[in-house]
Amino acid sequence: EDQVTQSPEALRLQEGESSSLNCSYTVSGLRGLFWYRQDPGKGPEFLFTLYSAGEEKEKERLKATLTKKESFLHITAPKPEDSATYLCAVQLSGTSYGKLTFGQGTILTVHP
Amino acid sequence: NAGVTQTPKFQVLKTGQSMTLQCAQDMNHEYMSWYRQDPGMGLRLIHYSVGAGITDQGEVPNGYNVSRSTTEDFPLRLLSAAPSQTSVYFCASSPTFSGNTIYFGEGSWLTVV
Repeated sequence: EDQVTQSPEALRLQEGESSSLNCSYTVSGLRGLFWYRQDPGKGPEFLFTLYSAGEEKEKERLKATLTKKESFLHITAPKPEDSATYLCAVQLSGTSYGKLTFGQGTILTVHP
Repeated sequence: NAGVTQTPKFQVLKTGQSMTLQCAQDMNHEYMSWYRQDPGMGLRLIHYSVGAGITDQGEVPNGYNVSRSTTEDFPLRLLSAAPSQTSVYFCASSPTFSGNTIYFGEGSWLTVV
């Protein structure tokens, strides 16, 4: 069975304290791995898509990396405005390009 | 640039009532889908469509109905609402090619009492 697991469930950081969020996956075939940010009361906002092991993408204080079994979202020197739920999702090979299987999310809180 | 628009934002239903959640996109995307989000469960796919006139079931389709008469619109119908359908519903759209970005609407909060 295809599974996506995110850890930790919740993470509290002090402003400037760098850390990483993990997304591990067990799937029959990976076409792409997506990272989204979700603010309370809002829809998921696209951050990155990674397609192959070794690939890295960056956006401001965020960097996403991908291996054959997991992805990491590294947050460097976070600010309070980075507080949100971060969602990981996989797009499986052999399925429609729009179908995603999501993990449960990591709730990130950054204290000033 | 509207993107993916969902209505209503909030709705309270009584058990057994029916209603339709509306979703529209203005990006000419072929692919549209509906997810529900429940605490501790993540987002789960309800139904999806790869183009006008074509729909298929996702992971949790029971109790929901969809149709796709135009590229722009993809309504989700609850035929006889149950308390288990209390959730937040998200509509998404994307082009159907590799390297696509999948866009989500702002969500519809549904409570069934």
